[in-house]
Amino acid sequence: NAGVTQTPKFQVLKTGQSMTLQCAQDMNHEYMSWYRQDPGMGLRLIHYSVGAGITDQGEVPNGYNVSRSTTEDFPLRLLSAAPSQTSVYFCASQSLARVTYGYTFGSGTRLTVV
Amino acid sequence: LAKTTQPISMDSYEGQEVNITCSHNNIATNDYITWYQQFPSQGPRFIIQGYKTKVTNEVASLFIPADRKSSTLSLPRVSLSDTAVYYCLVGDPHNTDKLIFGTGTRLQVFP
Repeated sequence: NAGVTQTPKFQVLKTGQSMTLQCAQDMNHEYMSWYRQDPGMGLRLIHYSVGAGITDQGEVPNGYNVSRSTTEDFPLRLLSAAPSQTSVYFCASQSLARVTYGYTFGSGTRLTVV
Repeated sequence: LAKTTQPISMDSYEGQEVNITCSHNNIATNDYITWYQQFPSQGPRFIIQGYKTKVTNEVASLFIPADRKSSTLSLPRVSLSDTAVYYCLVGDPHNTDKLIFGTGTRLQVFP
């Protein structure tokens, strides 16, 4: 029972580079989302998805793209990395059922842009 | 967007009960309130969820008044291991699928 798996755990990028953060869940959750957490700060919603083929923007979507081709996977793509995107990125999933056990979070990807 | 307000920090001693309140004045009629705990370098962990009145599980209680404009997480008899940041989470009132975290409350438990 892996839950939510994020890869990589650590990444250093140069300004202008692009990369994809991977997120996979094995709980058949309809809802998946990406948050970023800057040092000492709270979590901010980047993008979310309520099911395969459906994505929408969160609070801070600029500079990021997502896709949801399957229920299991929800990759986050950084188009052209900037130092302001240095952060810890968390992927999370949950059932859309009204009474749930909330989000299951991945262990995070720590990204540094130099 | 949804806006929730929590105290920035709280201090307590081991064995005491801790109550953390979150204000969510514009919560949607059909939305739930969820609370999470986060330790350094880890993702948040689900604690409890409720819609109205009182919910209790093995680790916490959640009190929600009739107007649902706030909620209070109650941690009974805290220990040092409860030192963490606690977040409430509600949906955007115009789109409850857009789940927005509050700023979080940093709880420090002293021996």
